[in-house]
Amino acid sequence: DGGITQSPKYLFRKEGQNVTLSCEQNLNHDAMYWYRQDPGQGLRLIYYSQIVNDFQKGDIAEGYSVSREKKESFPLTVTSAQKNPTAFYLCASSIGVGRQGRGQGGQFFGPGTRLTVL
Amino acid sequence: KQEVTQIPAALSVPEGENLVLNCSFTDSAIYNLQWFRQDPGKGLTSLLLIQSSQREQTSGRLNASLDKSSGRSTLYIAASQPGDSATYLCAVDGAGGTSYGKLTFGQGTILTVHP
Repeated sequence: DGGITQSPKYLFRKEGQNVTLSCEQNLNHDAMYWYRQDPGQGLRLIYYSQIVNDFQKGDIAEGYSVSREKKESFPLTVTSAQKNPTAFYLCASSIGVGRQGRGQGGQFFGPGTRLTVL
Repeated sequence: KQEVTQIPAALSVPEGENLVLNCSFTDSAIYNLQWFRQDPGKGLTSLLLIQSSQREQTSGRLNASLDKSSGRSTLYIAASQPGDSATYLCAVDGAGGTSYGKLTFGQGTILTVHP
């Protein structure tokens, strides 16, 4: 059963705490992405990775960190430096990037993690 | 910078109606356009992907068209059903140069189909 899984579904963070959101895919996709969704603001790109051991900042990377040690996994850490982390976090993957840096195929999304700061 | 706008922001229709959702983008140099559906508290489900060289794509009761030159796409839903109620999102890949598959999203259209 191919797809993208995210865990946990709900996560609560205390002030000053770092938390890590998990994203795993078994679609054999090279590219993976993290988005943040806030009411009235749509989806915004946090980080993306085109290939293992490589990742790039998106539009709102401050206060977040990622790693890409395995093709299947792209965890996101929300650090204490992120001042307003309460949001719905979505992970996505796609086949990858072709020649000239153009994305190939569409993106497929996981079920999301809702993070709340206590 | 690419900007994506979806109109209307919300739409309420009776069951059985045919309806059209609109998406416009400011930079026509896109590689593809994707329509998604999102149910409350859930992730995004891909509905249709239109490559820049294509004019339309169809899947069941859904038909999406793309007019790159005018920066517009429409999602047509035939014979709407209450189960179609959801938020529909439009996203474009590319705004000239390299995109690395990054998507720019519209704000979405909230669709309610009542029995």
